[in-house]
Amino acid sequence: QSVLTQAPSASGTPGQRVTISCSGSSSNIGRNAVNWYQQLPGTAPKLLIYGLNQRPSGVPDRFSGSKSGTSASLAISGLQSEDEADYYCVAWDDSLNGVVFGGGTKLTVL
Amino acid sequence: QVRLQESGPGLVKPSETLSLTCTVSGDSISSGPYYWGWIRQSPGKGLEWIGSIYYTGRTYYSPSLKSRVTISADTSKNQFSVKLTSVTAADTAIYYCARFDIVVVPGFDYWGQGTLVTVSS
Repeated sequence: QSVLTQAPSASGTPGQRVTISCSGSSSNIGRNAVNWYQQLPGTAPKLLIYGLNQRPSGVPDRFSGSKSGTSASLAISGLQSEDEADYYCVAWDDSLNGVVFGGGTKLTVL
Repeated sequence: QVRLQESGPGLVKPSETLSLTCTVSGDSISSGPYYWGWIRQSPGKGLEWIGSIYYTGRTYYSPSLKSRVTISADTSKNQFSVKLTSVTAADTAIYYCARFDIVVVPGFDYWGQGTLVTVSS
């Protein structure tokens, strides 16, 4: 059981806009930054979004993040086949004094 | 470019101790503001944080693993390591080491490629 809650799966067609949600609590998302990671099959997770909707160099601006209260969202616009991957939200939890992950959302591009 | 590389046995017997080392290049683990951490992923499952260390020796551990985990750092070799005692089949996973940026991200920004550790007799 993950501390952060994500839907296990999501899907969309090429060109569509998809949103992946992450629900937490006041001790994690409510107080701290949320990061999003993309994990392609057989590879290590890659930082996709950090802080207040910041993207590391090389990440397309089709990816964006937002946060409201104790929930966060990752939006992918102009969906492409190469976006098919697992997506994880991550935050620091002040009560647990550690890093907490969401269970991951598997995105399928139909 | 920061690079991290995990190394260690790929097979560990039940009840024994799992030991892995992460070698860092392109950055010094003694430089701030970074922690250095371990994350694992059981086959077909999600990511689980194990713990993190600052070069001074300050550590944070996952509450669920705290009784079995020790993370240490060797600044002279630019490496940090994890030991997990009394392993069972549930500890079979891909183990990743990663850099935790305290200020800019904050979070894990660079990851190793991961190493599969299987617990089996």
